[in-house]
Amino acid sequence: EAGVTQFPSHSVIEKGQTVTLRCDPISGHDNLYWYRRVMGKEIKFLLHFVKESKQDESGMPNNRFLAERTGGTYSTLKVQPAELEDSGVYFCASSLGTGGYGYTFGSGTRLTVV
Amino acid sequence: GENVEQHPSTLSVQEGDSAVIKCTYSDSASNYFPWYKQELGKRPQLIIDIRSNVGEKKDQRIAVTLNKTAKHFSLHITETQPEDSAVYFCAALSSGGSNYKLTFGKGTLLTVNP
Repeated sequence: EAGVTQFPSHSVIEKGQTVTLRCDPISGHDNLYWYRRVMGKEIKFLLHFVKESKQDESGMPNNRFLAERTGGTYSTLKVQPAELEDSGVYFCASSLGTGGYGYTFGSGTRLTVV
Repeated sequence: GENVEQHPSTLSVQEGDSAVIKCTYSDSASNYFPWYKQELGKRPQLIIDIRSNVGEKKDQRIAVTLNKTAKHFSLHITETQPEDSAVYFCAALSSGGSNYKLTFGKGTLLTVNP
């Protein structure tokens, strides 16, 4: 089966610009998660979708971040306007069940804000 | 919320030696502890996990131990090989009501020198 796909793999943007990251989960996985790793730090939870609904968005840093999951399939994470501290690797993961087990991660999008 | 501490941040060993990475967690209700390996430029991949009703689990050269009383768990790699070189992340599954999420440690960069 195809894995979790993320694109772009890399993005370099200027401060103040907008960037949209996309994640295609494994087909049939209702649960989709976004995580972020800032250089040298932990992989930090951002939010969790169950199908098209936001189950938990407690990790979203501020209102410059907007996540959507159209029709419960792929998800996008938009950062607008981007700030320097938004730089990092953004990971998406999906799972079949809701209990937090069986995550499959994507390869991540490395975002650099200059 | 859950907090996971991971040590050491870097670990260098000679091929054939053992490597041990330790993690502590704060939420006594956490009941699932996976370990992920991330090779350079690739996605984090689950290598082993342990649930709270088990004290130890082994899979070939990899083992994980869990001490629920002390709230710590460890990854043990024996007979290390150069291909074991990667960043390793521990995680703990916590729940806030019906919301489950993994909380990760900061990662350990393991280098196995041939």
